[in-house]
Amino acid sequence: GAGVSQSPSNKVTEKGKDVELRCDPISGHTALYWYRQSLGQGLEFLIYFQGNSAPDKSGLPSDRFSAERTGGSVSTLTIQRTQQEDSAVYLCASSLSSGGRTGELFFGEGSRLTVL
Amino acid sequence: AQKITQTQPGMFVQEKEAVTLDCTYDTSDPSYGLFWYKQPSSGEMIFLIYQGSYDQQNATEGRYSLNFQKARKSANLVISASQLGDSAMYFCAMYGSARQLTFGSGTQLTVLP
Repeated sequence: GAGVSQSPSNKVTEKGKDVELRCDPISGHTALYWYRQSLGQGLEFLIYFQGNSAPDKSGLPSDRFSAERTGGSVSTLTIQRTQQEDSAVYLCASSLSSGGRTGELFFGEGSRLTVL
Repeated sequence: AQKITQTQPGMFVQEKEAVTLDCTYDTSDPSYGLFWYKQPSSGEMIFLIYQGSYDQQNATEGRYSLNFQKARKSANLVISASQLGDSAMYFCAMYGSARQLTFGSGTQLTVLP
């Protein structure tokens, strides 16, 4: 498809398990973002990748969270030893590095994580 | 640091009437972009409208317009002729030197028939 693709759309896991969330950005988009949205809340920035530059990890809430982006395309967000407070929708977005509306992000439909 | 403030957690509007959703921002960046996104109950984030900080005119996109008052650091969204399908969460966001969109807490809009 032409949009941002995320998988899985839903993930239920037990406390203490590791999870991996995947994001496939729009082809040609060099910037990729991960956000977290807790129930009824706004979007919390987690991490940002731009081309081959070092990622901006300033939003990661703890060292249990990590992300990588392989080949400048697909990204994986990994949460180790999940806790109940990690339950949220994890949104991925991509954008062109420049353009008429610099900063416009195109979002995927999100991965809903539930930690029991 | 960037900050977006949306002071209306919930708003109601009668169908076919206009509604204004408030957004104020704080930044020291000389150049920035302001966005509004709509998030229906399905969860997708839908881009609505964009305003660049140096744009002289207020942005408009169909029934959406952005009332940009730079000196007051406000970027209110105006929806004209509300429709039932406009019921959703609305987020104001800003993009600046940090190269990330910073979002407000959102306003839940309900359009009444």
